[in-house]
Amino acid sequence: QVQLQESGPGLVKPSETLSLTCSVSGGSISRYHWSWIRQPPGKGLEWIGYIYYSGSTKYNPSLKSRVTISLDSSKNQFSLKLTSVTAADTAVYYCARGIYCGADCYSILLDHWGQGTLVTVSS
Amino acid sequence: DIQMTQSPSSLSASVGDRVTITCRASQSISNYLNWYQQKPGKAPKVLIYAASSLQSGVPSRFSGSGSGTDFTLTISSLQPEDFATYSCQQSYTTPWTFGQGTKVEIK
Repeated sequence: QVQLQESGPGLVKPSETLSLTCSVSGGSISRYHWSWIRQPPGKGLEWIGYIYYSGSTKYNPSLKSRVTISLDSSKNQFSLKLTSVTAADTAVYYCARGIYCGADCYSILLDHWGQGTLVTVSS
Repeated sequence: DIQMTQSPSSLSASVGDRVTITCRASQSISNYLNWYQQKPGKAPKVLIYAASSLQSGVPSRFSGSGSGTDFTLTISSLQPEDFATYSCQQSYTTPWTFGQGTKVEIK
């Protein structure tokens, strides 16, 4: 069974860089789309971006200038970096796997998620 | 960006009730629509993908329908474990976007 686990600091100072890693077990990272999603306390879900196993990336334009997602196939991990954080970046951050819905089906669903990690931006 | 609007934002229902949640996209997204269930303190779990396909392991009381801009999630007979927040998500184009969520509470 595929499992994802986020790790990283739970507290980041304003203007600094948020860095999180998602470790994937029970399956290879060398397929699929690998996403980061966040959820501010009491609010809805916001997609941050994904990296495809080939290395290509897509980011949310609202965060694009501050976000980098990278992949380390040798460690079966992918990572998120978000620069110049503010209090508005305080959220639970989730990593998730995106898969195509089937043969000749190009809709992507997020079928496995990490448990989420709360990152608070505060001095 | 494609805006996803759910209604209602919350509802109260009793065990055994039939519950319907709607999701409207700001432009056509064909059937590139997924539904997720989220319980407090937990990660979302996919229930329905491609608008109407039931994810493996999800009870058959959950169903989805729609295409284009209008979609529905139906729970045919609400069970105690179904009290949660439900969100729709489009994967038609990036940025992928979610609805604001519908909280299903006990009446």
